[in-house]
Amino acid sequence: SQTIHQWPATLVQPVGSPLSLECTVEGTSNPNLYWYRQAAGRGLQLLFYSVGIGQISSEVPQNLSASRPQDRQFILSSKKLLLSDSGFYLCAWSVWTGGLSTDTQYFGPGTRLTVL
Amino acid sequence: GQQVMQIPQYQHVQEGEDFTTYCNSSTTLSNIQWYKQRPGGHPVFLIQLVKSGEVKKQKRLTFQFGEAKKNSSLHITATQTTDVGTYFCHWASGGSYIPTFGRGTSLIVHP
Repeated sequence: SQTIHQWPATLVQPVGSPLSLECTVEGTSNPNLYWYRQAAGRGLQLLFYSVGIGQISSEVPQNLSASRPQDRQFILSSKKLLLSDSGFYLCAWSVWTGGLSTDTQYFGPGTRLTVL
Repeated sequence: GQQVMQIPQYQHVQEGEDFTTYCNSSTTLSNIQWYKQRPGGHPVFLIQLVKSGEVKKQKRLTFQFGEAKKNSSLHITATQTTDVGTYFCHWASGGSYIPTFGRGTSLIVHP
């Protein structure tokens, strides 16, 4: 069966520090991968998605970046964190079924980031 | 462009009362999914609706897809404290793999 891992679970970082969040998926090949951010009590904001190794699409311009060095590994990074980067970061995977279908999103447990 | 609105943003109910959340689109949707996120947790897939007028049930939850495939609803009968959480609708934009979620409806159940 498929599983998705995210770490760390919680993180407290000072403003201006770097960030690296990692997500890995097991039990599936060539998944679509996604990074979302959720502010407290708010909805899901899609940050990045990837349909393959080295292929990254950004949905929201900001000081964050993403990389996909391996098929089932997705990394979210920042060189200098801002206060506004605080939030709940969720990684998700799906398998694109093609056409007009909405793919089911499978989410990881998330990382709760607080920037002070 | 396509706009989908999810309402209400919050809903307080007494335990045992019913609850409904709606997603309304300005354009026809191919299909729609519903997710539940418990407080402190991550969204979990509940169901997918594909056909015009489709109705699906999961115990006390009833999901509907409108005849025009422009609106959908999630109805919970006789809410319980275990139903607390945020419910999201989800669809793909423009036939691509770019996912979009509604803003969510947070359900608060008072015992």
